[in-house]
Amino acid sequence: EPEVTQTPSHQVTQMGQEVILRCVPISNHLYFYWYRQILGQKVEFLVSFYNNEISEKSEIFDDQFSVERPDGSNFTLKIRSTKLEDSAMYFCASRGTGWETQYFGPGTRLLVL
Amino acid sequence: AQRVTQPEKLLSVFKGAPVELKCNYSYSGSPELFWYVQYSRQRLQLLLRHISRESIKGFTADLNKGETSFHLKKPFAQEEDSAMYYCALSARFGNEKLTFGTGTRLTIIP
Repeated sequence: EPEVTQTPSHQVTQMGQEVILRCVPISNHLYFYWYRQILGQKVEFLVSFYNNEISEKSEIFDDQFSVERPDGSNFTLKIRSTKLEDSAMYFCASRGTGWETQYFGPGTRLLVL
Repeated sequence: AQRVTQPEKLLSVFKGAPVELKCNYSYSGSPELFWYVQYSRQRLQLLLRHISRESIKGFTADLNKGETSFHLKKPFAQEEDSAMYYCALSARFGNEKLTFGTGTRLTIIP
């Protein structure tokens, strides 16, 4: 069964550094999402992406964040200048069309020191 | 605004006993409700959604619009049901971002 994959599984970075989290959605899916979960808190929506543009973003998704689908298979989340409070588990999800549900990747655990 | 409330952070149930995980929601439009499950060291996966009306792994959930609830139930708990359970909501029409509750960690006592 096809799965969403994410790399790396863990990343440690220094505050102020840029990080890029990578996701490979399921190949025929058209809608892509990023969520994050700070330790002990709920899973929160960050951004959705369709037809090569952002369709919706949350208040969390400020100018420090950006998303890209550079090559038709990868879907990346970039944080330009990480802050301590960006430490979280970041989940990518994708879905097909119609009534299909979202399929989640295993997550990337980001730790900002 | 969309909101999902799961009042129990932790729930322990004996094997063979009935399970009920509570979920209440707030949404002004026509919602779609989901239960996602996360087993230890695994990814979030869909357990069930209200429009499909399926029973997965013995779990069922009924959407009660009057009480704005979508409680998850299973008549006889099994040890493999131990996991983190998240209730989630999306708009029926739209880009279907998911709004999650805080989750309930279910532990089945052998």
